[in-house]
Amino acid sequence: KQEVTQIPAALSVPEGENLVLNCSFTDSAIYNLQWFRQDPGKGLTSLLLIQSSQREQTSGRLNASLDKSSGRSTLYIAASQPGDSATYLCAVRGGTASKLTFGTGTRLQVTL
Amino acid sequence: AAGVIQSPRHLIKEKRETATLKCYPIPRHDTVYWYQQGPGQDPQFLISFYEKMQSDKGSIPDRFSAQQFSDYHSELNMSSLELGDSALYFCASESPLFEAFFGQGTRLTVV
Repeated sequence: KQEVTQIPAALSVPEGENLVLNCSFTDSAIYNLQWFRQDPGKGLTSLLLIQSSQREQTSGRLNASLDKSSGRSTLYIAASQPGDSATYLCAVRGGTASKLTFGTGTRLQVTL
Repeated sequence: AAGVIQSPRHLIKEKRETATLKCYPIPRHDTVYWYQQGPGQDPQFLISFYEKMQSDKGSIPDRFSAQQFSDYHSELNMSSLELGDSALYFCASESPLFEAFFGQGTRLTVV
């Protein structure tokens, strides 16, 4: 059974800092991995999708990497802003048309 | 761009009542997933449909049922509601690249 863990569970940083969120998964036989952002009580917004054959994806200030063999992904956020405050979830998909298995999330707070 | 639409956004029901949640996927997305998210928890997979057929089933109680209709919208039917069913219920549809897009969710409160 796939298990996904995210470290740290919570993180508070001052505005402008670069930061890294970590995601690890136990079964390396994944099809792809997605990073999501969730604001309190709201839906999940897809940030980045990395296919299993890719090493990284970038979107604006976000960069996600994937090391499938070691079961790890990182989300790098450059020059953090207070608007980045949210919970960040990684999720892995085992195969095509397979469900997503979510990590426990990292709650990020960016302070002024 | 069109997104996944869920209705209603909020729902308050009493114990033992029935609730129906609706999901309208992004056009041309033929796969729909339902997830349940309790307070402070990560989303838990309930059930999925591909081309109107159930494709996978997770930790969905027998009191719940779901289906996908010919126009690809999906409904989650929940009967004999319990206090523990109070949660955010998300629907997601999947692109041809197998990227999931989530709706804003339905917040169900059982009192």
